[in-house]
Amino acid sequence: GAGVSQTPSNKVTEKGKYVELRCDPISGHTALYWYRQSLGQGPEFLIYFQGTGAADDSGLPNDRFFAVRPEGSVSTLKIQRTERGDSAMYLCASALLSGTGASSGANVLTFGAGSRLTVL
Amino acid sequence: AQKITQTQPGMFVQEKEAVTLDCTYDTSDPSYGLFWYKQPSSGEMIFLIYQGSYDQQNATEGRYSLNFQKARKSANLVISASQLGDSAMYFCAMRVGGKLIFGQGTELSVKP
Repeated sequence: GAGVSQTPSNKVTEKGKYVELRCDPISGHTALYWYRQSLGQGPEFLIYFQGTGAADDSGLPNDRFFAVRPEGSVSTLKIQRTERGDSAMYLCASALLSGTGASSGANVLTFGAGSRLTVL
Repeated sequence: AQKITQTQPGMFVQEKEAVTLDCTYDTSDPSYGLFWYKQPSSGEMIFLIYQGSYDQQNATEGRYSLNFQKARKSANLVISASQLGDSAMYFCAMRVGGKLIFGQGTELSVKP
């Protein structure tokens, strides 16, 4: 698609429920990122995929959070047993990463509009 | 460990004036990239400018320029001729390998 698409744009759920957030990246982008952003804070890195595999999942806060990208395109962030502290904006971004060198081209991340999660 | 620091929670600037937003970073990796993003109240993250660690010249994109001082590990954003539409949150970010991490942001308010 023309941009990064995230669904749903808003999700309200109850404490303890399971939630899935979907990200559809720009066509052809090899890398996909998930971030969590609380009000007034910078985006907090969660995980990024290069192709189908998670290249770095060091930002996932605990084992209730899981993400998949089975075909190297669409990704789903899954949150089990949601807690009120999980309430935040979840941002997805994609990029065409060329090489592993961070300075080998801009490799700019393009962000989606986000999914706002509210846990009651 | 990699770290990005933005020490100015909020900044004010008069319309048409220039403003500098500070950013310092820490990494032991010689290869990295530095980015600035803008986030207006609508929430979308907008890419502004990029600087690679091996780039010899400071990056410029229209009214945006990045004052890259490698020895001091700083990558300040300079916005010239501020406009009311520049009012937003600004985030500095660093990529090492494929991972991109963000600072806490600076809220810029442009006064008419």
